[in-house]
Amino acid sequence: GIQVEQSPPDLILQEGANSTLRCNFSDSVNNLQWFHQNPWGQLINLFYIPSGTKQNGRLSATTVATERYSLLYISSSQTTDSGVYFCAVGEPTTSGTYKYIFGTGTRLKVLA
Amino acid sequence: DTEVTQTPKHLVMGMTNKKSLKCEQHMGHRAMYWYKQKAKKPPELMFVYSYEKLSINESVPSRFSPECPNSSLLNLHLHALQPEDSALYLCASSPKRQGTNNSPLHFGNGTRLTVT
Repeated sequence: GIQVEQSPPDLILQEGANSTLRCNFSDSVNNLQWFHQNPWGQLINLFYIPSGTKQNGRLSATTVATERYSLLYISSSQTTDSGVYFCAVGEPTTSGTYKYIFGTGTRLKVLA
Repeated sequence: DTEVTQTPKHLVMGMTNKKSLKCEQHMGHRAMYWYKQKAKKPPELMFVYSYEKLSINESVPSRFSPECPNSSLLNLHLHALQPEDSALYLCASSPKRQGTNNSPLHFGNGTRLTVT
C-alpha cells in the first residue's frame, strides 16, 4: 500500500511566523487532502488538492503529483492554528472506492 | 465540517457491554467510512461502505461490527471490547462521483470511547 510521510513531526512557531509543512507519498495518487485536527479532535478539511495550487486566506497548498509530494503553507500564524496537520491520500481499490491513508502528521504549536 | 453527525460524543462502556456508535449524513454521499484514532497517532481506516455494501474491512476484530441500514446511516456495533480499544472513532463520507476521481472525505466530530 501507499506510504505517506509528513515533515517536520513537530513545529513550534511564534505568532506571526510563516511555515511550510510537507507530505511525501510513495505512489501516484488521484486524491489528496489536507486536514487540521484541533485540540478537541475535530478534523477540519483544509484543501482537497490532488494537483496544482489552491489558496484560502492565510493558507495555501501545492501538490506536485508527478514528484509525489504536497506542501501546506501557513502564513502569519495565529494561536488558533495550533493542532495537528494531516495529509491523506486516496488509494483506489478494485471496488471503485478510495481508501484514504493518513500521513504521520505535523504537530504545530503557535506561541502568543 | 459538521455535515456528518456522530452520536454519542462520549461513551464509557464495560468489557461485557454492547453499545452502538451512530453516524448520519444527508449530503447524498454514497461512500461511508469508519476510522479509529489512538492518542497522538493518525486515523486508521477500519471499514468502507460503498452504496450500502461493505467494500473494505481492514482486518478489524469481530468485536467491531459495522452496519449500513441505508445510504444516510452508518452504525458501528461494539461488543466485548478491550481497554486497548479506547480511542476516538471517526465517521466520514465522500461523494464517490461516478466517472471522476473527485471524492473528498467529510468527517464527523467523532465519538470518544473509553472501555473500562
